Amino acid sequence: KNEVEQSPQNLTAQEGEFITINCSYSVGISALHWLQQHPGGGIVSLFMLSSGKKKHGRLIATINIQEKHSSLHITASHPRDSAVYICAVRSGETSGSRLTFGEGTQLTVNP
Amino acid sequence: NAGVMQNPRHLVRRRGQEARLRCSPVKGHSHVYWYRQLPEEGLKFMVYLQKENIIDESGMPKERFSAEFPKEGPSILRIQQVVRGDSAAYFCASSPIGGFGANVLTFGAGSRLTVL
Repeated sequence: KNEVEQSPQNLTAQEGEFITINCSYSVGISALHWLQQHPGGGIVSLFMLSSGKKKHGRLIATINIQEKHSSLHITASHPRDSAVYICAVRSGETSGSRLTFGEGTQLTVNP
Repeated sequence: NAGVMQNPRHLVRRRGQEARLRCSPVKGHSHVYWYRQLPEEGLKFMVYLQKENIIDESGMPKERFSAEFPKEGPSILRIQQVVRGDSAAYFCASSPIGGFGANVLTFGAGSRLTVL
């Protein structure tokens, strides 16, 4: 079992829909990151969370430390949101320098 | 105010050749991380470096792979005697501080290595 599990693996939505991507992890963490990887391959860091909730534009990220679960929400989705969304955790049980990544969620938003 | 610069973006090598991938961190960032993304797989940590020091290389293959971050110049990931299984995208990220404080990460666009 992977230390970081994402669901769903693939998600197709219509423009305007509310999107939720989930991330569960099995280790103690000091922080959780949500990353976006564009079709061209570049990676952008969206959020870093250690507790609670963060919002940036149409993106909202939440984390529940007790349940070891985080969600990434996209409101009013748009075709330009189509990308792979990756959850990554910084574990307190290993070096603080390394991230452990989920397999990613491929999101396709159709016009 | 450039971000993390990686080059080359694409590199083709034949089996047995050497591959050198370069990463220039964000100006002022002294911590560099290398990650590998194999085809159809997720990202995996390889190595964490500070200037002139390897801090954590627990994700590096034991043979043929090495990394450095000299006092001057970019960080280099070097793969000797490449094999087809080394074909992957190699991403570099940098942060202003490291360890448990390294929560601000800026990624490069990646270097895609193809081994023929």
